[in-house]
Amino acid sequence: QSVLTQPPSVSAAPGQKVTISCSGSSSNIGNNYVSWYQQLPGTAPKLLIYDNNKRPSGIPDRFSGSKSGTSATLGITGLQTGDEADYYCGTWDSSLNAVVFGGGTKLTVL
Amino acid sequence: EVQLLESGGGLVQPGGSLRLSCAASGFTFSSYAMSWVRQAPGKGLEWVSSISGSGDSTYYADSVKGRFTISRDSSKNTLYLQMNSLRAEDTAIYYCAKVRIQLWLMDYWGQGTLVTVSS
Repeated sequence: QSVLTQPPSVSAAPGQKVTISCSGSSSNIGNNYVSWYQQLPGTAPKLLIYDNNKRPSGIPDRFSGSKSGTSATLGITGLQTGDEADYYCGTWDSSLNAVVFGGGTKLTVL
Repeated sequence: EVQLLESGGGLVQPGGSLRLSCAASGFTFSSYAMSWVRQAPGKGLEWVSSISGSGDSTYYADSVKGRFTISRDSSKNTLYLQMNSLRAEDTAIYYCAKVRIQLWLMDYWGQGTLVTVSS
């Protein structure tokens, strides 16, 4: 069972918007920045969002991040079939002294 | 261009040992912390270990503490993970990743190397 809680799956039609939640506690999300990673099928994870809402160079602005209290959210607009992937949130847990990830959310673009 | 290339994975019996390597290029290796993250078949990401740029500080997940050792050789731009007393539950793809600033902020990942622990 993961320290950070994500929905196992989400789905939406092409062109639509989807959000993926990541719920934690004061020892992790509540007091640390959150990163988001995209893992396309059969590939390594890729950094998508860092410091809650910043995008690395090359990541389109269709991807956005936000944080409120002990929860974070990844938003994807203008969905494309190429966005079908597993998405993970990650941060530091000060009680565990460990990097923690969410269990991952599988995005299906119908 | 940042490149991370893992090697050393394979099939090992329970209780055995294996050393993974990660050859890094395209950045000043000694300036950045590095991490190992694993992914069991069909499962999510699990952080394994991290090491500071100087190598002076190391961090481990409870699940591997006392069995795994992370190290680095800046003269060879290579990251290592020595894995001892391996268990079936250590079976996973092991990724090395470059840390951007905070340990949970990994901006580049290798392609991974598969470790299978089975008799």
